[in-house]
Amino acid sequence: QITLKESGPTLVRPTQTLTLTCTFSGFSLTTTGVGVGWIRQPPGQALEWLAVIYWHGEERYNPSRKNRLTISKDASKNQVVLSMINMDPADTATYYCVHRRAGYGLFDFWGQGTLVTVSS
Amino acid sequence: DIQMTQSPSTLSASIGDRVTITCRASQSIGPWLAWYQQKPGKAPRLLIYKASSLESGVPTRFSGSGSGTEFTLTISSLQPDDFATYHCQQYNSQFTYTFGQGTKLEIK
Repeated sequence: QITLKESGPTLVRPTQTLTLTCTFSGFSLTTTGVGVGWIRQPPGQALEWLAVIYWHGEERYNPSRKNRLTISKDASKNQVVLSMINMDPADTATYYCVHRRAGYGLFDFWGQGTLVTVSS
Repeated sequence: DIQMTQSPSTLSASIGDRVTITCRASQSIGPWLAWYQQKPGKAPRLLIYKASSLESGVPTRFSGSGSGTEFTLTISSLQPDDFATYHCQQYNSQFTYTFGQGTKLEIK
């Protein structure tokens, strides 16, 4: 059974860097085609894909957020880390860690999400 | 970038109704579209992939159709558990993914 769980701060100050960790189980990030990504959702708003890292290490980012994001993986620990610099109150959102199905660009398993509030 | 537009933004319907939600892409995405259901305070759940393939465990009253730039999600007979927000997502490009703005399905 595939599970993912997000961890990190619930409150971040403006201009600070957000670092979120996704710890997963039930699959390996060394399996061909698999990816782990991050998607966020501001309160009452739409889903926004942020980044994904693939089994072979390739990273892909939302072009409109690329200059603020870094995604990395530690396959041996079953973890993926997302960093987002220069946080702003507009970045207040629930951040989801997701499993990208091998061979498809869809997200078939989701973490429960973690609400990150950006406020001074 | 590919933009996804859903309509309507909100839909009011009754138990037993047949409802359809539309998702339009700003350029052709072939069949590479997924639909998700999201309930308040919960993560989205994958319902449909490749425009019309039903995810395992999803009730057969849900169906999807379309290709290119226009897609629909249909619920054949609304059940109480179906009142939720529905999102479409394109994955034509393996390098970027885009969601629609969501359609909230409410009880009339």
